[in-house]
Amino acid sequence: SQTIHQWPATLVQPVGSPLSLECTVEGTSNPNLYWYRQAAGRGLQLLFYSVGIGQISSEVPQNLSASRPQDRQFILSSKKLLLSDSGFYLCAWGGGNTIYFGEGSWLTVV
Amino acid sequence: AQSVTQLGSHVSVSEGALVLLRCNYSSSVPPYLFWYVQYPNQGLQLLLKYTSAATLVKGINGFEAEFKKSETSFHLTKPSAHMSDAAEYFCAVSDESNYQLIWGAGTKLIIKP
Repeated sequence: SQTIHQWPATLVQPVGSPLSLECTVEGTSNPNLYWYRQAAGRGLQLLFYSVGIGQISSEVPQNLSASRPQDRQFILSSKKLLLSDSGFYLCAWGGGNTIYFGEGSWLTVV
Repeated sequence: AQSVTQLGSHVSVSEGALVLLRCNYSSSVPPYLFWYVQYPNQGLQLLLKYTSAATLVKGINGFEAEFKKSETSFHLTKPSAHMSDAAEYFCAVSDESNYQLIWGAGTKLIIKP
């Protein structure tokens, strides 16, 4: 069966520091991969999605970036975090027409 | 353009009462529709999905949803609420053009003892 893991689960980072969140999927090949963000009290915001290695589509302009160095690996990065980057980040993979989510990562920028 | 509207950001029901969470969608093509549940500090879990088969879809934890094309609705119901159902519920429609889901704003379900 397919599984998805993302880490770290929680992190507290100072403003201006870099960020790297990693996500891996097992049990499937060539999945669509997604990064979402939930700010406090708000809904889901799609940040990036990828339909293949090296193929990244950005949904919103921001100081975040994403990379897909391997088929089942998706990384969310930032060179310099802002206070507004705080939130709950969710990695997801798509099979057919259904999307499955990881456990989420809480980011607090201080 | 496709869109999803969830009526009520918060819904409060008593334990044992009927749960009804409303979702209306707009789509120019036959949609795929989804309900996800998010427990506090966790990722989203697929509750059920409609993919143009039976209009009444049964999901996990005793939930079900009925696709009504004439009303463009996909409301989520459960006959008897449990305390463990307290969570946020998201309705979504599949955007076939670009591998994404269009999300509703979510409804927080509160269960009163």
